[in-house]
Formats: sequence, C-alpha cells, structure tokens
Amino acid sequence: AIQLTQSPSSLSASVGDRVTITCRASQGISSALAWYQQKPGKAPKLLIYDASSLESGVPSRFSGSGSGTDFTLTISSLQPEDFATYYCQQFNNYPLTFGGGTKVEIK
Amino acid sequence: QVQLVQSGAEVKKPGASVKVSCKASGYTFTGYYMHWVRQAPGQGLEWMGWINPNSGGTNYAQKFQGWVTMTRDTSISTAYMELSRLRSDDTAVYYCARDSGYNWNYDWFDPWGQGTLVTVSS
Repeated sequence: AIQLTQSPSSLSASVGDRVTITCRASQGISSALAWYQQKPGKAPKLLIYDASSLESGVPSRFSGSGSGTDFTLTISSLQPEDFATYYCQQFNNYPLTFGGGTKVEIK
Repeated sequence: QVQLVQSGAEVKKPGASVKVSCKASGYTFTGYYMHWVRQAPGQGLEWMGWINPNSGGTNYAQKFQGWVTMTRDTSISTAYMELSRLRSDDTAVYYCARDSGYNWNYDWFDPWGQGTLVTVSS
C-alpha cells in the first residue's frame, strides 16, 4: 500500500498567517491526491482534488500543488474557521490511503 | 441538497456483527459509488472499500476482505456496511462517503455521512 506522510503532525499559527502542510507519498502517484478538512466531531470535508483543483464552494485561500511524491496544501491567510485537522488522500492505487493528519491549532 | 444520513450508534460484544446504514438523498443514488471509511478514536482515516449502487459490485480493501460486506437497497436509496467478528480494535466511527464521479469512481469523496460510532466492548 502507498504510504502518505504528512508534516508537520501539528502546528500553531495565528489568524492571518500563511500555513503550508506537506504530504509525501512512498511512491509516485502522479496528481492523484485529495485534501480534506476535519473539525472535531464532524465528518471530513473535501477541499482539493487532483492535487490542485479547488472543490466548488471552498474559499480561494486554500490551494494545493505538487505531483509525483511531494504535495503541499497552503492556506494563504488563516481564518478562525480554518483551525482543524487536515488529511491528504491518494487515489492512484488501491487500497486508497490517507496521511496521518496535520492539526492546525490557534497560537 | 445532497445528504447522507447514517444510522445511530451501536454497542456490540466481541465476536458479534454490526450493520450500519447510509441513506442518500438529493441525487441519483445509482449514479455514484459509495465508499466506507473508518476512524478509530483520536486516530486517522482508514478506507474500507466501495460499492457500486447500480450493479452491486464491490471493491474491498484487502485488510477487510472476508470480514466486511457492503450492500445496497436501491428502492430506498440506502447503502449498508456489515462488519463481522468484531474485536475491540474495531471501535471506531464509521463513515459512508459518496464518490465524486458520476457513473465512474473518481475515488475521492464528497459529501460524507455524519458518522456512526461503533463501540466493541465486553
């Protein structure tokens, strides 16, 4: 199975900060990567698919980039509602797999 | 709007089975694959497999083969996930999640159900 390693596992940031989260795949997955946001007690929500395509209705401060093995999720200006855990997910191979998550906390 | 509503929390004893339902509304149920993903308390996400509601075809993660059964009832737009021979480490929130592709599995998910907590305890 393809392993996805997210870094950092957690970070503290302030409102207005630029935040970058990294996801590294154990083998090349082209652009077959999605990003989700999960708030406590809630289901995940799709943010990005195909590594860089913004899901409809998701604020433009979220962006994704990368291909092959290295990917990033960037929040250009962190808002109070963005404090959550973020997961990457690959869909290049079965079994579909997720990264371990990055928790974004208030500084 | 598109909505997935799951059945309520369950408490089961080790060795028992559990069946979780996921009722879809707001879209053509047979047009989108349905995935199941679980999340143990305080842990990450684990994909279990998908069902094609149109054909009933399934694709299970190897870890769950022989152990999970995904079915559907198209007359009531509902998908089911049954897990047998439960162990304590199967305690988790189980989510159904609709595939994003119409008549094709893109293998990313939106939206998700609200989750069903299954607790396995003696």
